[in-house]
Amino acid sequence: TQTVSQSDAHVTVFEGDSVELRCNYSYGGSIYLSWYIQHHGHGLQFLLKYYSGNPVVQGVNGFEAEFSKSDSSFHLRKASVHWSDSAVYFCAVSLRNNNNAPRFGAGTKLTVKP
Amino acid sequence: GGIITQTPKFLIGQEGQKLTLKCQQNFNHDTMYWYRQDSGKGLRLIYYSITENDLQKGDLSEGYDASREKKSSFSLTVTSAQKNEMAVFLCASSIGGQGSNERLFFGHGTKLSVL
Repeated sequence: TQTVSQSDAHVTVFEGDSVELRCNYSYGGSIYLSWYIQHHGHGLQFLLKYYSGNPVVQGVNGFEAEFSKSDSSFHLRKASVHWSDSAVYFCAVSLRNNNNAPRFGAGTKLTVKP
Repeated sequence: GGIITQTPKFLIGQEGQKLTLKCQQNFNHDTMYWYRQDSGKGLRLIYYSITENDLQKGDLSEGYDASREKKSSFSLTVTSAQKNEMAVFLCASSIGGQGSNERLFFGHGTKLSVL
């Protein structure tokens, strides 16, 4: 089974700062990687995914993530955060075989201070 | 656009009780999922279903049953609620098919508390 590790439980930055949320996975085969955002009291919403090709993928609201096979990582970045980006961010990994369900990391709570 | 509806939003049960959570989607998606969310532990996969009447066990299926009665609905049963258990159960759906590269759409969750 694939596993996902998000090393930072909490990250606090100021509005306008850049931020990187870390995600590492452990699986040797072919995978898909995704990031989701969860605002307080709501379900998760899709941000972006990596399937193949360009290792840097763009998502909504200025988020991007970079896949690195050598580091087994898929870190999420944003150049300039807004207070509304405060939320919990989840990384997910799926195996590239038939009908496999995504596994999620523990999540990183991002707090953006004014 | 579609929507995923989870009922009830809040569920309070007694120790040992059998409790059922329901999920409906109108995306016409093939695959549906149940995840359990505990504080600090992220989401853990309980069951998923790739089509009507199909069931696949996840990593946390012990203590749960699931039923995919029709394409649009997927229910989860806690077979015996544990005292002081507290968690949020999230239902999701996706188009499905080869490779599981499709994005998941989530409901707002059912918050379970066991007295």
